[in-house]
Amino acid sequence: DAGVTQSPTHLIKTRGQHVTLRCSPISGHKSVSWYQQVLGQGPQFIFQYYEKEERGRGNFPDRFSARQFPNYSSELNVNALLLGDSALYLCASSLAGGRTQETQYFGPGTRLLVL
Amino acid sequence: SQQGEEDPQALSIQEGENATMNCSYKTSINNLQWYRQNSGRGLVHLILIRSNEREKHSGRLRVTLDTSKKSSSLLITASRAADTASYFCATVASNTGKLIFGQGTTLQVKP
Repeated sequence: DAGVTQSPTHLIKTRGQHVTLRCSPISGHKSVSWYQQVLGQGPQFIFQYYEKEERGRGNFPDRFSARQFPNYSSELNVNALLLGDSALYLCASSLAGGRTQETQYFGPGTRLLVL
Repeated sequence: SQQGEEDPQALSIQEGENATMNCSYKTSINNLQWYRQNSGRGLVHLILIRSNEREKHSGRLRVTLDTSKKSSSLLITASRAADTASYFCATVASNTGKLIFGQGTTLQVKP
C-alpha cells in the first residue's frame, strides 16, 4: 500500500507569491494534518482536517489556509509568502481525527524556499 | 509553540552502546509519542505510550512515562549506525487533542 504522498518535493518561490502544497493520505485514512518544520526545530501544528471539516488550527496567520476534498486528499495554501515561511511542510494522515490522536503517518514533506 | 523540551539536544555514541533521550512536557496529556526523522525528511512513528501506562517496549526501544513529573524517556539499546537520526517526542494535550512536538534530540551513532 502507498504511504502518504506529498507534492511537490521541492519548491522555490519569491516573497509575496502564493503556494499550494498537496497531500494524499493513506487509503482509508480520513484525517489529514499539516505541520511546518523550520530547520533545527520540531514540527509545528498548522491544521487538522477530518471528513472535510477543520478540526484544529495552530497558531498561524490567516495567510495559511487548507481544505480537504471528498477523496480525503488535502491542499495547504499560503498567500503573501514571507522569507520566514521557508520550511519543510509535512502532511500526516490518521484513521480518525479524535482527541486521542492515534498514530500519525507522515509523508516525505515539501521543502519550500522563499527568496 | 513547542510543548516539550528534549534533553540532550545532541548525543554522540559508539555503535553497540545504549542511547537515552528525555522529554519533558507542560500540560495534561492523553498520550505521548516518539518519532524518528532522517535527514530532514518525513517522520516515522516509533512508539505510543498512553497516559495510564508507565513503560512500553518495542524491539530495541523502551519508553517510560512519568505523568507526575511530566516526563518521558526513550532508550535505544545496542545502537546501530542506522539509528543515526533526530528523535522527537510529541504529546497529545488532553484539552486540545493537538499533537505538539518537542525540539528533538539529534543522535549520531558512530560505527
